[in-house]
Amino acid sequence: AQKITQTQPGMFVQEKEAVTLDCTYDTSDPSYGLFWYKQPSSGEMIFLIYQGSYDQQNATEGRYSLNFQKARKSANLVISASQLGDSAMYFCAMREGGNFNKFYFGSGTKLNVKP
Amino acid sequence: SAVISQKPSRDICQRGTSLTIQCQVDSQVTMMFWYRQQPGQSLTLIATANQGSEATYESGFVIDKFPISRPNLTFSTLTVSNMSPEDSSIYLCSVVASGSSNEQFFGPGTRLTVL
Repeated sequence: AQKITQTQPGMFVQEKEAVTLDCTYDTSDPSYGLFWYKQPSSGEMIFLIYQGSYDQQNATEGRYSLNFQKARKSANLVISASQLGDSAMYFCAMREGGNFNKFYFGSGTKLNVKP
Repeated sequence: SAVISQKPSRDICQRGTSLTIQCQVDSQVTMMFWYRQQPGQSLTLIATANQGSEATYESGFVIDKFPISRPNLTFSTLTVSNMSPEDSSIYLCSVVASGSSNEQFFGPGTRLTVL
């Protein structure tokens, strides 16, 4: 089974609007971490936000927030007030337990922000 | 956060040759990894670079093809040996900063094309 599933290969959003990128995960480990990365066309992977499985509150970093629904095993990324510079690939990832080599990436969502 | 640089940023190589990619971090880090991202794909972990000892390779990756060195806590190299067109990918160095396991950072990547 896929560890990380991103069902939206591509998304469009109007500039200044909010957008939600979906991510579901699969693990039986009670301790895990969820990550979102942005990859512009230049290829670098930019760390956006982290959510621990035991965190009570949803993580927020500026315009990024993570909608963590543990029972549903979902960790959707919400970008508020989209900007043209947000156009990029977005990857959801999960680390299981303390195993740094158990770091799984989803297939990514290509976000296009329209002016 | 950790600032990571990689050299070269991109290269075009001939089949059968080898390329060594360097990764330099601006601070001491506990963990360093090498990932591969084939065109249009997500990231795949190649190996964990261990300081002063042999790297730990993931299934499907071997030392003869991807020798790795990590002489100290801030530097690592990955060599792609006897290259074929199938090795055309982005290769990314990744680190977990000392004192924080909740953030995993990636270098800018090396975009390799093998003719």
